[in-house]
Amino acid sequence: KAGVTQTPRYLIKTRGQQVTLSCSPISGHRSVSWYQQTPGQGLQFLFEYFSETQRNKGNFPGRFSGRQFSNSRSEMNVSTLELGDSALYLCASSPGTENEKLFFGSGTQLSVL
Amino acid sequence: AQSVTQLGSHVSVSEGALVLLRCNYSSSVPPYLFWYVQYPNQGLQLLLKYTTGATLVKGINGFEAEFKKSETSFHLTKPSAHMSDAAEYFCAVSPYVNDYKLSFGAGTTVTVRA
Repeated sequence: KAGVTQTPRYLIKTRGQQVTLSCSPISGHRSVSWYQQTPGQGLQFLFEYFSETQRNKGNFPGRFSGRQFSNSRSEMNVSTLELGDSALYLCASSPGTENEKLFFGSGTQLSVL
Repeated sequence: AQSVTQLGSHVSVSEGALVLLRCNYSSSVPPYLFWYVQYPNQGLQLLLKYTTGATLVKGINGFEAEFKKSETSFHLTKPSAHMSDAAEYFCAVSPYVNDYKLSFGAGTTVTVRA
C-alpha cells in the first residue's frame, strides 16, 4: 500500500504570494489532518477533514484554508504569505474511525523569502 | 485545554544504555497520550499511545511508556539504546481517543554514542 504522498517536497515563494500544497492519503483513508512544524513553535495542528468536511480546526488565521475532495485527497492553501509561514507542512491520514492511528507524509518544506 | 512539556531538548546516551525521555501533560479532560518519532527528512511515526486501561503501554522498537495520573506524566523508556534510535521524539496529548488535533511537546533529540 502506498503511503501518504505530499507534493511538492520543496517550495520557495515570496511574501504576498499564495501557495497550494497537496496531500494524497493512503487508499481507503477518509480523514486528512494538516500540521505546521517550525523550529520556534514546534508542531501545531492546522485542521482536519473527514469525508470532505472540516471536522476540527486549530488556531491559525483565515489565510490558512483547506479542502478535501471526494477521493479524500486534500489541499491546503495559504494566501498572502508572510516570512513566518516558512515551515514544514505535514499531512497525516487515517481511516477516520475510532482507535485508528495517523500516518504522516514526509511533508512539504515551504520557504518564504 | 491540553498541553505537553518535554523535559530536555537533547538527550545523549551510549549504545546499550537506558533511554529515558520525560513528558508531563496538563489536560482539562481525561487525556489520550502519544509518543511519536521523527527521523531526518521524514514525517512522524507513532511509537505508542495510551487511551484507557493498562497504564504501562508497549510500543514499537522496544519502547514503552507509563501513564502516571498522580504525576501527570507519560515518560518514554527503552532499556537498551541502539544507534538506529537516534531521532527526534515528540510527546503529544489529544482530547479525542483518536490522535486528531494533537498538541505536541517541543520535542527531544536523541543522539546515541557508539
